[in-house]
Parts: sequence; C-alpha cells; structure tokens
Amino acid sequence: NAGVTQTPKFQVLKTGQSMTLQCAQDMNHNSMYWYRQDPGMGLRLIYYSASEGTTDKGEVPNGYNVSRLNKREFSLRLESAAPSQTSVYFCASRAGSGNTIYFGEGSWLTVV
Amino acid sequence: TQLLEQSPQFLSIQEGENLTVYCNSSSVFSSLQWYRQEPGEGPVLLVTVVTGGEVKKLKRLTFQFGDARKDSSLHITAAQPGDTGLYLCARGGGTSYGKLTFGQGTILTVHP
Repeated sequence: NAGVTQTPKFQVLKTGQSMTLQCAQDMNHNSMYWYRQDPGMGLRLIYYSASEGTTDKGEVPNGYNVSRLNKREFSLRLESAAPSQTSVYFCASRAGSGNTIYFGEGSWLTVV
Repeated sequence: TQLLEQSPQFLSIQEGENLTVYCNSSSVFSSLQWYRQEPGEGPVLLVTVVTGGEVKKLKRLTFQFGDARKDSSLHITAAQPGDTGLYLCARGGGTSYGKLTFGQGTILTVHP
C-alpha cells in the first residue's frame, strides 16, 4: 500500500525557475495538505484542500499555488523560485473523519 | 499564530535512561498530537490527546495532556537506540485536524 507518494524526491532550482511538486494518495482521503519543514521551525502549513474542488491558504502561502486535480492528486507549484523556498516539502492526507494524518516521505528542494 | 514551545530542542542520552519532552502553549488547545519523524521520512502519528489530564501509554512511551489543556509531555522509559528521531508536538482539533500547528521539535539521540 503506497499511501502518500511525492515526486520528485530531490530537486535543485535556480532562482526564478518554476516547478511543480506532485502528490498522490491511494487511501481515498478527502483532505490533502502541503507543509514545509525548515530547521528549528517544525512544519508549517502552506495550502490545504478539504475536499475535491476546494483549496485554502495555510500559514505560509506566499510564493506558492496549488491544484487539487482530482480526489487523489494535489500539486504544489512554485512560479518563480526564491532561495527562501529552499526547504523540505511534505504532502499529507486525511480521511473525512478521524484525526490521523498520513505524510509522504518528503521532497527536498534547493533554490540557488 | 498560536505558538507551541517544545523543550528541550536537543537531547542526547545513553541507552536505558529515561527522558521527558515538553510541549507548552499560552493558549488552550482542543487536542494535541505527538509525532515521530525519522531521517528521510515524513512524521508518523504516535498519539492524540483530547481531554485535560488524559494519560496515554504506548509501550515505553507515556503521553500526558495538562489539566488546563495548555501543555503536554512525552516520557520515554528505558530509552533504546531505536527511539532516536525527531519528536514533534502539534496542535489541531475538530475539523482542523489536518491544519496543524507544530512545535519546533526535539531531536533525540539514544547512544548504545
């Protein structure tokens, strides 16, 4: 059972380049999330999608866009990457009820 | 943003020792979750506590939620090298379980 799958796992970008992080879950979960993790700061919520067709901003949305392509997939796009976006990005999902959030293995992004 | 303060930030101990990690907030929260994260992986949920004064045990791990629901602790008895990892507390609740606010994390290293 794959759970939450993120691609790519590693990426190096130049400042100003764009890229999309892909996330897919096979658990038929309604809600999906994107977090970033920086040293000494825990994880911070970027965007979330409570259900297919809806997206909302989290704590740190600036510089990012998201698309809930269907129930399985939730992508995160950096339109013009900046060094401050160097981070580890985690996608997560949750069933409609219940308190268990399942995280992917992370995507390591470096912007130079 | 309602902050969660975790302490200590780093903990290095010998196998067999006991330890406690703390998670504090100035605000009341409806529930608190503890996660464990290993290098190269996403956080994995250990426990959710929702009632003031609640105590939950998971093998050698004991989780406590403060009576006033402003603090929580994680106690590990007879730590083992396999307990090494990053421990994170996170606040969230109700329909916002996925919209978590994380503490900074505690990096635990257990030496054989």
